[in-house]
Amino acid sequence: DAKTTQPNSMESNEEEPVHLPCNHSTISGTDYIHWYRQLPSQGPEYVIHGLTSNVNNRMASLAIAEDRKSSTLILHRATLRDAAVYYCILIDFGNEKLTFGTGTRLTIIP
Amino acid sequence: GAGVSQTPSNKVTEKGKYVELRCDPISGHTALYWYRQSLGQGPEFLIYFQGTGAADDSGLPNDRFFAVRPEGSVSTLKIQRTERGDSAVYLCASSLQVAGEGGTQYFGPGTRLTVL
Repeated sequence: DAKTTQPNSMESNEEEPVHLPCNHSTISGTDYIHWYRQLPSQGPEYVIHGLTSNVNNRMASLAIAEDRKSSTLILHRATLRDAAVYYCILIDFGNEKLTFGTGTRLTIIP
Repeated sequence: GAGVSQTPSNKVTEKGKYVELRCDPISGHTALYWYRQSLGQGPEFLIYFQGTGAADDSGLPNDRFFAVRPEGSVSTLKIQRTERGDSAVYLCASSLQVAGEGGTQYFGPGTRLTVL
């Protein structure tokens, strides 16, 4: 699976939008872009995924660049419960495992 | 409905001992995964089951590690002759579809293994 690059850490104020970037310049045409997050002392939790088009769900939005070499996870209104490590993961079609990097540690400031 | 459960939540053992870690996946999920997470790192893939068979065990670090899923539901990760370096959180996940087909993995809370 292709490699992703994320900032080690980010901070955001509570109730403001958060944009978490992910670079994946070597992405292949069949790679899905998945985002998971891990709250303290918990297992990872699925957030969102996409292939080519932008995606929205109740948790977040995923904006995918036109060339697919980068993507951004958008939390529309951060709460303290969104403080977590966020992982951007590329998964090739048919592959089964998630390859986690070190992710972005998001801190929410009250 | 019930999520993925793992038992025990914590396990402390002595170097050289044998341990078993159990995972109960979400009912109906045919795919089951084991990962290991060391402090400050992301989870690391160990093994993947599709039904009863291990479809990919490329992440198992050595032959001291073994996992089974005899009836296609509950899985047990077995570690022989434990070493201090085996200390980590062991995570289990299950899914309906493989990740590469857009499948979502649902993780349990993990078992924290400490080898003294």
